[in-house]
Amino acid sequence: EDKVVQSPLSLVVHEGDTVTLNCSYEVTNFRSLLWYKQEKKAPTFLFMLTSSGIEKKSGRLSSILDKKELFSILNITATQTGDSAIYLCAVAGAGSYQLTFGKGTKLSVIP
Amino acid sequence: SQTIHQWPATLVQPVGSPLSLECTVEGTSNPNLYWYRQAAGRGLQLLFYSVGIGQISSEVPQNLSASRPQDRQFILSSKKLLLSDSGFYLCAWTVWDRGADEQFFGPGTRLTVL
Repeated sequence: EDKVVQSPLSLVVHEGDTVTLNCSYEVTNFRSLLWYKQEKKAPTFLFMLTSSGIEKKSGRLSSILDKKELFSILNITATQTGDSAIYLCAVAGAGSYQLTFGKGTKLSVIP
Repeated sequence: SQTIHQWPATLVQPVGSPLSLECTVEGTSNPNLYWYRQAAGRGLQLLFYSVGIGQISSEVPQNLSASRPQDRQFILSSKKLLLSDSGFYLCAWTVWDRGADEQFFGPGTRLTVL
């Protein structure tokens, strides 16, 4: 059974801090790992990491994938209050139509 | 561009009442469609997915059912709601030939069963 564990479950930081969110996984025939941001409603897609793309960056957000150690991290630099959200990690196995999600990390950025 | 709609946005139902939640996708053909439930502290739980009209795969045995009567329509139903059915229900879609990658989520329905 595929499994995703995220840590920490919640985190409170001050504006301007840098945070690192962790995601470890177990999946049969890994195909991709995805990060989502969920504010009040629907999760929105951030990054997808695969065997051919193990590092992604967009503005203050970046993510890397370690396929050997089976984990990924999401970094957010110079955090802003608008970064407050639940960050979800999910994995997909080859040939699967399903994503397996972790429970998420709730990030709170205070002024 | 593709859009996904869900309704209603919120719903309060008594225990034992029926349920029907609807999801529609615009701007794409033959999408893979998904129903998730998100309960507090439990993450996103996949309930059903569909790769085509009339094709439904169930991931969690329960008193819920799903149907896909049209290519871009996905319906979640129950004949009798339980208290444990409360939660945030999300519909999602992916491009048909890309498996589970990059799922795009609808706005969700918050269901409270009293």
